[in-house]
Amino acid sequence: EPEVTQTPSHQVTQMGQEVILRCVPISNHLYFYWYRQILGQKVEFLVSFYNNEISEKSEIFDDQFSVERPDGSNFTLKIRSTKLEDSAMYFCARLREGKLYGYTFGSGTRLTVV
Amino acid sequence: DQQVKQNSPSLSVQEGRISILNCDYTNSMFDYFLWYKKYPAEGPTFLISISSIKDKNEDGRFTVFLNKSAKHLSLHIVPSQPGDSAVYFCAASEGTYKYIFGTGTRLKVLA
Repeated sequence: EPEVTQTPSHQVTQMGQEVILRCVPISNHLYFYWYRQILGQKVEFLVSFYNNEISEKSEIFDDQFSVERPDGSNFTLKIRSTKLEDSAMYFCARLREGKLYGYTFGSGTRLTVV
Repeated sequence: DQQVKQNSPSLSVQEGRISILNCDYTNSMFDYFLWYKKYPAEGPTFLISISSIKDKNEDGRFTVFLNKSAKHLSLHIVPSQPGDSAVYFCAASEGTYKYIFGTGTRLKVLA
């Protein structure tokens, strides 16, 4: 099954700075997702993106967050002004290839806000 | 509000024995359930799934059981191997497009 590639694998940023996390999920998929996992906690849903629009977002996904699919293959998550509590692993996901349900996740980006 | 709960944060099992990981959920509308395995510094990897029309699904050493009346599912790994040591997440969805994950259970298989 084609992989989901995320870059960078680790990003350290100053509080208040903007970060962009990137995902290459393969261009012929319609559904994409961002999840995050704060260290030792559950994997939390952030946002789903269908046909180039946000289809659902959680209460975590406030005005500081945005998603885009700028060129039809890359899928980005932007955090405009990072806070310490944004430190987490961020996972991009798409629906599993040829399957009715379940996700294929990327390897994640570890974001550390200092 | 935790809709999907894994009450055991960790579990240790001897190699060759059965590992049983448990998961409870509160939303009776959930109709798809998944188990994911996660190694450190990697994304979660799909392991096995079950839909609400079934009560058991088996794939090699992995079997998932669903008890809808108790809103409970479990993952059985038989026989357990050291390479199974990882964090296991259960996830549930209403429909197939958005999954709610539990907090995970860290399984350690002792050689």
